[in-house]
Amino acid sequence: AQSVTQLDSQVPVFEEAPVELRCNYSSSVSVYLFWYVQYPNQGLQLLLKYLSGSTLVESINGFEAEFNKSQTSFHLRKPSVHISDTAEYFCALSGGSNYKLTFGKGTLLTVNP
Amino acid sequence: KAGVTQTPRYLIKTRGQQVTLSCSPISGHRSVSWYQQTPGQGLQFLFEYFSETQRNKGNFPGRFSGRQFSNSRSEMNVSTLELGDSALYLCASSLQGDGIDTQYFGPGTRLTVL
Repeated sequence: AQSVTQLDSQVPVFEEAPVELRCNYSSSVSVYLFWYVQYPNQGLQLLLKYLSGSTLVESINGFEAEFNKSQTSFHLRKPSVHISDTAEYFCALSGGSNYKLTFGKGTLLTVNP
Repeated sequence: KAGVTQTPRYLIKTRGQQVTLSCSPISGHRSVSWYQQTPGQGLQFLFEYFSETQRNKGNFPGRFSGRQFSNSRSEMNVSTLELGDSALYLCASSLQGDGIDTQYFGPGTRLTVL
């Protein structure tokens, strides 16, 4: 069975502060890892993904995530957040030819002025 | 390219009724997946279709069903609605539906069961 654990349900931070959203996974097969973001009353948008190769992946809006196989983690980081980053963030995995994404419970990031 | 579209966006039904939700994937995408999102359970996989065939189904009762048409559009149906079926239902499309593909999500259909 595959599972994703997001260790923090809510993360409040001040604008321009750094942030880390934690994600751990469990799987008996090789996986692909994703971070999605959901703004209020919208669907999910892909933020970044790890398929293979370099373990550090970056998004166009300054987020980055590092795949750590030994710790089975895929934490999301941003060195300086903006008010507009306020949203819910979901870590997800796929793998094993089961044609689905398995999601974590989500982390609500709230950026305060 | 137009994104994934879902209709209707909002729906209110009463217990015992049935409902049909529709999803139009991005042009050229042949895989469509459905997810249920609730505050308590989070995002849960319902089923996935590729070329009109269901390839995987999540752990939901038989009241939840779906289908895919030859143009890749998909519908899901929930019969004998229960209060607990109130949720945001998200549709996602991708090229092949394998693990590497990026899944593109629609805005969802918010179903309220009274």
